[in-house]
Amino acid sequence: QVQLVESGGGVVQPGRSLRLSCAASGFTFSSYGMHWVRQAPGKGLEWVAVISYDGSNKYYADSVKGRFTISRDNAKNSLYLQINSLRDEDTAVYYCAKDLDSSGRSLPFDYWGQGTLVTVSS
Amino acid sequence: SYVLTQPPSVSVAPGKTARITCGGNNIGSKSVHWYQQKPGQAPVLVVYDDSDRPSGIPERFSGSNSGNTATLTISRVEAGDEADYYCQVWDSSSDHWVFGGGTKLTVL
Repeated sequence: QVQLVESGGGVVQPGRSLRLSCAASGFTFSSYGMHWVRQAPGKGLEWVAVISYDGSNKYYADSVKGRFTISRDNAKNSLYLQINSLRDEDTAVYYCAKDLDSSGRSLPFDYWGQGTLVTVSS
Repeated sequence: SYVLTQPPSVSVAPGKTARITCGGNNIGSKSVHWYQQKPGQAPVLVVYDDSDRPSGIPERFSGSNSGNTATLTISRVEAGDEADYYCQVWDSSSDHWVFGGGTKLTVL
């Protein structure tokens, strides 16, 4: 069965950096686009970034472009999100999600992890 | 950037039909996906490509999309359907995924 397990969250001071990881299993990781989606406390879902199956294409939400970097290691079945210059408004649960397609564009997200909480606080 | 508009809340009695709308400019030309999220849980895909259901999703869940409005319809609503529902599209003009603000479904 498909499993996505996020890790790397925690309490971080503003301006610092953090790297989130998502360990995937139960499917051919290297064949699918992957996403990061976040949800601030009590708020709705916000798409953050997508990476194509081979890592050749990446797209970011305007709110994170230039500070966040999505990457993947297909040999390790892992997805990553590097977050730099953390801000208060980055406080959220961060989910990784699997795309139904290889490109990560147009088809929906069919599996989600349980999320990892990032709290930005001094 | 493309904007999706959902009503903040919808209430329905058990056994009745709930309709949750998602408004967007010419949304009928896009494929709309719907997710259900219960408190403390990750979202679950319930309808994709306007009206298709993933395996395991009850036939009570259906969708439609035309003009400037997409609709998620839940027939014979049960207490277990109480959740937040989000619509989603891919905006090819900006290469961005967009979520609606979400609708809280309350079963009376």
